[in-house]
Amino acid sequence: NAGVTQTPKFQVLKTGQSMTLQCAQDMNHEYMSWYRQDPGMGLRLIHYSVGAGITDQGEVPNGYNVSRSTTEDFPLRLLSAAPSQTSVYFCASSYSLDRGYGYTFGSGTRLTVV
Amino acid sequence: GQSLEQPSEVTAVEGAIVQINCTYQTSGFYGLSWYQQHDGGAPTFLSYNALDGLEETGRFSSFLSRSDSYGYLLLQELQMKDSASYFCAVKGGADGLTFGKGTHLIIQP
Repeated sequence: NAGVTQTPKFQVLKTGQSMTLQCAQDMNHEYMSWYRQDPGMGLRLIHYSVGAGITDQGEVPNGYNVSRSTTEDFPLRLLSAAPSQTSVYFCASSYSLDRGYGYTFGSGTRLTVV
Repeated sequence: GQSLEQPSEVTAVEGAIVQINCTYQTSGFYGLSWYQQHDGGAPTFLSYNALDGLEETGRFSSFLSRSDSYGYLLLQELQMKDSASYFCAVKGGADGLTFGKGTHLIIQP
């Protein structure tokens, strides 16, 4: 089992550039989420999805876009990168958050915006 | 919305027991979870409590009191490899999982 696969692992962008962070899971999980992690801030929810075709905003959605066309894939798009988006991004998936199934996290993408 | 409070840092001695507390505020409640994250790594799921009481998984235990909006993670027989950050997390209503800011556990030999 590959689990949750994130690509790329590292990325440097210039201000104003756009890019897509890829996330794929092979566990047939319905729940998928994107988090960003900054020093001292913990994990903050960007967007999440409870199934194909369904997405919703989390705590810090501005500047990011998502779609969920399949159960397996949940890409995160940065529309116009800003230095404030320099962070570590984690994708996570779960069978169910209501019945004790935890998140499985990907290995993360370290993004630097210059 | 949801908010969680946990200490930013806890120090303990190898072989000892340590407790990491978490208080939360949420509009709905579907359980309190705990995650471990080593430096440079991804968070990993440790435990989940939906009902009051203690859940034990090996050296780790997690406790929940819904009436006090409080929980804790108990680590016994501490090992150096337990040095990591520990996050509590809560799901409320239709929102995704909200995490606390994390507790950095330092273990001294």
